[in-house]
Amino acid sequence: GIQVEQSPPDLILQEGANSTLRCNFSDSVNNLQWFHQNPWGQLINLFYIPSGTKQNGRLSATTVATERYSLLYISSSQTTDSGVYFCAVLPYGGSQGNLIFGKGTKLSVKP
Amino acid sequence: DVKVTQSSRYLVKRTGEKVFLECVQDMDHENMFWYRQDPGLGLRLIYFSYDVKMKEKGDIPEGYSVSREKKERFSLILESASTNQTSMYLCASRTLGRGASYEQYFGPGTRLTVT
Repeated sequence: GIQVEQSPPDLILQEGANSTLRCNFSDSVNNLQWFHQNPWGQLINLFYIPSGTKQNGRLSATTVATERYSLLYISSSQTTDSGVYFCAVLPYGGSQGNLIFGKGTKLSVKP
Repeated sequence: DVKVTQSSRYLVKRTGEKVFLECVQDMDHENMFWYRQDPGLGLRLIYFSYDVKMKEKGDIPEGYSVSREKKERFSLILESASTNQTSMYLCASRTLGRGASYEQYFGPGTRLTVT
């Protein structure tokens, strides 16, 4: 089945720093999403981005579907950005199937 | 805004009890999912449903059952709760697509403790 790899697994930043999180996937996808899991455990939708580039405030994401990777950029990080960031993909043709999650990047932003 | 709600944020049950976790979505989504999340193991799919009264086993269905009598509601049932079912349970929903996006939405989660 499709493999999803995220890097780095852990990231520690000072407040105000920028960062780039990466997601590599091994096959074609219908869907790619980035989630932020907050300290209470809820998965918050950041981006639905099977291809192209999107921006939302200090966050932006780019997916290059032909090269099978996606990047999540966090600029001017804040302590509230801390948590785990997951990339998840829906394999091509799998409209009824399960999202395949990466293992996540754990981000800690220090004041 | 899509809303997926779960009946409880925190739940404490005794070993052997029958436990019901309820999930409701308001976007007329066909697909609904139940996951559990444990440290070091990531999200694991328990069951999913792509239509009313339809269900499919996920990766770890043992000890669980599900019910989907109405499109908006998907229930997870622990027939006889055990301590190894202490976990975070997450419900999700997603449309089938057909020209719409395949974006999946999650509920806030239920932290279940079985003592």
